[in-house]
Amino acid sequence: GAGVSQSPSNKVTEKGKDVELRCDPISGHTALYWYRQSLGQGLEFLIYFQGNSAPDKSGLPSDRFSAERTGGSVSTLTIQRTQQEDSAVYLCASSLESAYSPLHFGNGTRLTVT
Amino acid sequence: KNEVEQSPQNLTAQEGEFITINCSYSVGISALHWLQQHPGGGIVSLFMLSSGKKKHGRLIATINIQEKHSSLHITASHPRDSAVYICAVSKGATGNQFYFGTGTSLTVIP
Repeated sequence: GAGVSQSPSNKVTEKGKDVELRCDPISGHTALYWYRQSLGQGLEFLIYFQGNSAPDKSGLPSDRFSAERTGGSVSTLTIQRTQQEDSAVYLCASSLESAYSPLHFGNGTRLTVT
Repeated sequence: KNEVEQSPQNLTAQEGEFITINCSYSVGISALHWLQQHPGGGIVSLFMLSSGKKKHGRLIATINIQEKHSSLHITASHPRDSAVYICAVSKGATGNQFYFGTGTSLTVIP
């Protein structure tokens, strides 16, 4: 398909385990964002990639969170030693250039930490 | 205080009613976005605007830069319009910093 693809769509993990969430943006989109949405809350910015520039990591809540974007395309968000408060929907969005272009969101990964 | 405030938080309307959702922001922006999120569904970008007015079907978005205010209007509302509508603003040198409102939950009753 032509949209932003995220996998897995659902992930249940035990507290303390590491998880990897994947985002495949729309081809040609240079900007990629990760957001988190907790139950009943608004979107929380995590990290932003733009082309080959250094990512903006200012939204990552702790050093257990990291993300990379290989080849300017697919991105992986890794959460180490998961905690129950990490349970949320993790959303990826991409856009053609930056925020001057419309955002295209994936369907998200629902993470549940038990 | 949030950089982006939306009102109302919740809205229930009868099918066919004209609906207005408001968004006020406190930062200088590059652009303002209106997003739609259906229950259990993904987020769809409805509009991106930096001035004036845009229309798409029954949806109209306006922005007043001087007053730092935007409105999203839905004409002839329908139950399928039931969703959460989110206002977001982007700023920064490259416009990559986003601030999101907490959303307006709209329910349209048949």
